[in-house]
Amino acid sequence: DTEVTQTPKHLVMGMTNKKSLKCEQHMGHRAMYWYKQKAKKPPELMFVYSYEKLSINESVPSRFSPECPNSSLLNLHLHALQPEDSALYLCASSLQLTDTQYFGPGTRLTVL
Amino acid sequence: DQQVKQNSPSLSVQEGRISILNCDYTNSMFDYFLWYKKYPAEGPTFLISISSIKDKNEDGRFTVFLNKSAKHLSLHIVPSQPGDSAVYFCAASRGDDKIIFGKGTRLHILP
Repeated sequence: DTEVTQTPKHLVMGMTNKKSLKCEQHMGHRAMYWYKQKAKKPPELMFVYSYEKLSINESVPSRFSPECPNSSLLNLHLHALQPEDSALYLCASSLQLTDTQYFGPGTRLTVL
Repeated sequence: DQQVKQNSPSLSVQEGRISILNCDYTNSMFDYFLWYKKYPAEGPTFLISISSIKDKNEDGRFTVFLNKSAKHLSLHIVPSQPGDSAVYFCAASRGDDKIIFGKGTRLHILP
């Protein structure tokens, strides 16, 4: 298995909802990442996990809460989001930090 | 301060010809460079990388050249194919620090 999977592909949520994005890889990678991408912009790093521990938090608002329950799974819990949080959320993984990152297809999030 | 710069927002190349995408960086401590390709509504796909100890890396139709003294790298695609039409991102990293992306260049392959 040489891919990163993300579910759901699309998500529409209201500002009072609580939802979660899920990312999974079975390549034995020990670093996992969340990125946010707005249209026509490069991905912006949000969080980095290394060996299931949060390594980098790029000053992301607390309405985004990451979780790494095991080495294959990475979740992003969403609560009280704003319409400007609508974007493509990308998960990536790499063998170690700074190794080549492999990206998932993304979750297209729309906040109404 | 933009540490990784792709100064051409778009580029059009005839099918079969060579596509050359350029990238400049400002941080001389960067030691690893990558190119990603992105289709609309999809995540970026890793394409090719190069370590700062090399000046060239080749993979099939794709070659990346690194000029450390000029802080410049380029991606060559030969021959260009219609499926190469996409946005290409240059990225750089230093040690175990995060990866910094450029703003991307949209490549159009013309029939």
